[in-house]
Amino acid sequence: SQTIHQWPATLVQPVGSPLSLECTVEGTSNPNLYWYRQAAGRGLQLLFYSVGIGQISSEVPQNLSASRPQDRQFILSSKKLLLSDSGFYLCAWNRGDYGYTFGSGTRLTVV
Amino acid sequence: KNQVEQSPQSLIILEGKNCTLQCNYTVSPFSNLRWYKQDTGRGPVSLTIMTFSENTKSNGRYTATLDADTKQSSLHITASQLSDSASYICVVSRTGGYQKVTFGTGTKLQVIP
Repeated sequence: SQTIHQWPATLVQPVGSPLSLECTVEGTSNPNLYWYRQAAGRGLQLLFYSVGIGQISSEVPQNLSASRPQDRQFILSSKKLLLSDSGFYLCAWNRGDYGYTFGSGTRLTVV
Repeated sequence: KNQVEQSPQSLIILEGKNCTLQCNYTVSPFSNLRWYKQDTGRGPVSLTIMTFSENTKSNGRYTATLDADTKQSSLHITASQLSDSASYICVVSRTGGYQKVTFGTGTKLQVIP
């Protein structure tokens, strides 16, 4: 069966520090991978999606970047965090038009 | 503009009671509609998925309906339990695949004893 792992679960980082969140998928190949952010009381906002290794599409211009160094690995990064980067970050995968499977999320607080 | 609106924004019900959550959408061309349950601090988990030709789908005590003509969906929860307390998110996809989805902002349900 397919599983998705996302870590860390919580993170507190000072303003200006770097960020690296990692997501890996097991049990499938060539998944579509996504990074979403969910601000408190708001809906999910798509940040990045990837349909293959090295292929990254950005939906919203921001202080973040994403990379896909391996087929089932998706990384969300920032060189310098802003206060506005605080939020709940979710990694997800799917294939074709099937439903998304989400990771357990990372609560990021920038202080 | 492709939009998904959910109502109510929040809901409090007594344990054992039934409730119905609403989802209206303007997404076109329609591919499918999914309901997700998201526990606080966790990722969303899929409850149901319905395509254009399906108008009812059940998953245990959860029953989703879809009216593709009026572009409305509902999620009915029967005999609610405390563990049903969560946010319920309606997600509508357009045809054309992976990135063409629109998320609703969710309904926050609280079941109290």
